[in-house]
Amino acid sequence: GAVVSQHPSRVICKSGTSVKIECRSLDFQATTMFWYRQFPKQSLMLMATSNEGSKATYEQGVEKDKFLINHASLTLSTLTVTSAHPEDSSFYICSAATGMAGANVLTFGAGSRLTVL
Amino acid sequence: KQEVTQIPAALSVPEGENLVLNCSFTDSAIYNLQWFRQDPGKGLTSLLLIQSSQREQTSGRLNASLDKSSGRSTLYIAASQPGDSATYLCAVYGGATNKLIFGTGTLLAVQP
Repeated sequence: GAVVSQHPSRVICKSGTSVKIECRSLDFQATTMFWYRQFPKQSLMLMATSNEGSKATYEQGVEKDKFLINHASLTLSTLTVTSAHPEDSSFYICSAATGMAGANVLTFGAGSRLTVL
Repeated sequence: KQEVTQIPAALSVPEGENLVLNCSFTDSAIYNLQWFRQDPGKGLTSLLLIQSSQREQTSGRLNASLDKSSGRSTLYIAASQPGDSATYLCAVYGGATNKLIFGTGTLLAVQP
């Protein structure tokens, strides 16, 4: 079955540094990838939708200059949290879709837990 | 804007009980609906996927139904076990926004 690899699974960084999270579709081409954020005891909130070769579409309230998303190939999307602060500490999870309208099935990565000190 | 709501928010039952989790969504133009399980501090485990043309899916002790016209889905868990304790999330994909939107979640505790 389809597999999405997300790396790193855990990262701890100092306030002010930038952190990059990678999301790779291992055995299929993902025309669209979604990035979610989950705070403790809350549901997953969609941050942005990235399409290969074009700019990401951000949800309302998500700062595009802080959460940089790059989808440079059909198998890789990256989320960079720039100048991270403790309030950015969260669980980030990506999912990938094949883009076949009407039959879309999303596959999720295992998530990345970011802790900003 | 698609909104997905789950009721109840939390549920505690004794082992062996059959239970139903509810999910409702406001935009019925969806491709599919999925039920996920999430253990504390972990990622998502996909349980069942129902395409928009389907009415239900079954896997073991789990049965999920979909009534697209009324914007509702239910997840039925038979003979619950302590190992079923987790947060259950439904998510709908499609609609006018062509996104996967998650519900608010139901925290299930099955008491031994």
